[in-house]
Amino acid sequence: SQTIHQWPATLVQPVGSPLSLECTVEGTSNPNLYWYRQAAGRGLQLLFYSVGIGQISSEVPQNLSASRPQDRQFILSSKKLLLSDSGFYLCAWSVAASGRGEQFFGPGTRLTVL
Amino acid sequence: KQEVTQIPAALSVPEGENLVLNCSFTDSAIYNLQWFRQDPGKGLTSLLLIQSSQREQTSGRLNASLDKSSGRSTLYIAASQPGDSATYLCAVDSWGKLQFGAGTQVVVTP
Repeated sequence: SQTIHQWPATLVQPVGSPLSLECTVEGTSNPNLYWYRQAAGRGLQLLFYSVGIGQISSEVPQNLSASRPQDRQFILSSKKLLLSDSGFYLCAWSVAASGRGEQFFGPGTRLTVL
Repeated sequence: KQEVTQIPAALSVPEGENLVLNCSFTDSAIYNLQWFRQDPGKGLTSLLLIQSSQREQTSGRLNASLDKSSGRSTLYIAASQPGDSATYLCAVDSWGKLQFGAGTQVVVTP
């Protein structure tokens, strides 16, 4: 069966510090991968998605970036965090071969920027 | 631009009652629609996926219907239990992206 991991689970960072969140998927190959942010009062917003290693599409202009160094690894980064980057970050995957199929989500990372 | 609305925003029912959760979307050109459950502080759990060519999907006590022409989906949960308390989100796959509603927060009282 497939599982998706995210770490860390919780993170408190000062404004201006760097960020690195990691997501890994087990039990599948060549998945589509997604980063979402859930901010209070704003719902779930798609940030990035990837259909393969090194292939990243950005949905929202911001100071965040994403990378996919390995087939089942997706990383969300920032060089300098802003207060507005606080939120709940969720990674998701779907089966690439099925096109735009069902998405499965990880447990999330709660980020607080102070 | 696709917009997804969920009404009501919150719902409280006594145990045993059936739950009816509504989701509406503005652009009927959708690929599929997915219902999720989210517990406080947790990730999303996929409940049901309805392809655009389908009218409904069932899983246990859950049944979801889809009327693309009117831009509506309804999630029915039969014989609710306190363990069904959570936030329920619908999301439409429109032009390759999932657009989420704001969710319906459900409380089932014993």
